[in-house]
Amino acid sequence: RKEVEQDPGPFNVPEGATVAFNCTYSNSASQSFFWYRQDCRKEPKLLMSVYSSGNEDGRFTAQLNRASQYISLLIRDSKLSDSATYLCVVSLNNRKLIWGLGTSLAVNP
Amino acid sequence: DTAVSQTPKYLVTQMGNDKSIKCEQNLGHDTMYWYKQDSKKFLKIMFSYNNKELIINETVPNRFSPKSPDKAHLNLHINSLELGDSAVYFCASSQEIKVDTQYFGPGTRLTVL
Repeated sequence: RKEVEQDPGPFNVPEGATVAFNCTYSNSASQSFFWYRQDCRKEPKLLMSVYSSGNEDGRFTAQLNRASQYISLLIRDSKLSDSATYLCVVSLNNRKLIWGLGTSLAVNP
Repeated sequence: DTAVSQTPKYLVTQMGNDKSIKCEQNLGHDTMYWYKQDSKKFLKIMFSYNNKELIINETVPNRFSPKSPDKAHLNLHINSLELGDSAVYFCASSQEIKVDTQYFGPGTRLTVL
């Protein structure tokens, strides 16, 4: 089983749609959780950290379920500029990041 | 203005050659990383340095040798390049060893022919 698993997609959605990405991780001792965004042929950039209580940043909402070892990212009112690959990232000991393969999102006009 | 910079951006070379990739950060961070992203887009840590000291060394062939002359620089030297080394190599940095504040360089696309 992969350490961090994501549905690779691609997800094709119209502008304005709400889309949700899921991620599962295998090590129950994982401590920190993040969503990164990577545009085509660019470097990854931190989108948001994921906290146990769930957190929101504008149109983006992240949730963590430690019991199910599951992380989610919800994007509301999708924009064309949201088209990218979304990477689920987990850290066991805050020293090393374990990366998922990413979920590809295409927002269409 | 660039926070984390890498050179070169593209590198095309023949099998068996030796090449180096350079990385510099001007963020004042003291931890730097090298990642490899292969054709399947899987991003994997290779090395991590904190204040010029190696702290993470994943299972990477010893043909890969990182060097950190100071905490603002982390270079990657690769000996005897192989076809399977073709990938995008990303340098990143963070303050201390906090993984949530990693900033990535633009990547070096290495193609081995």
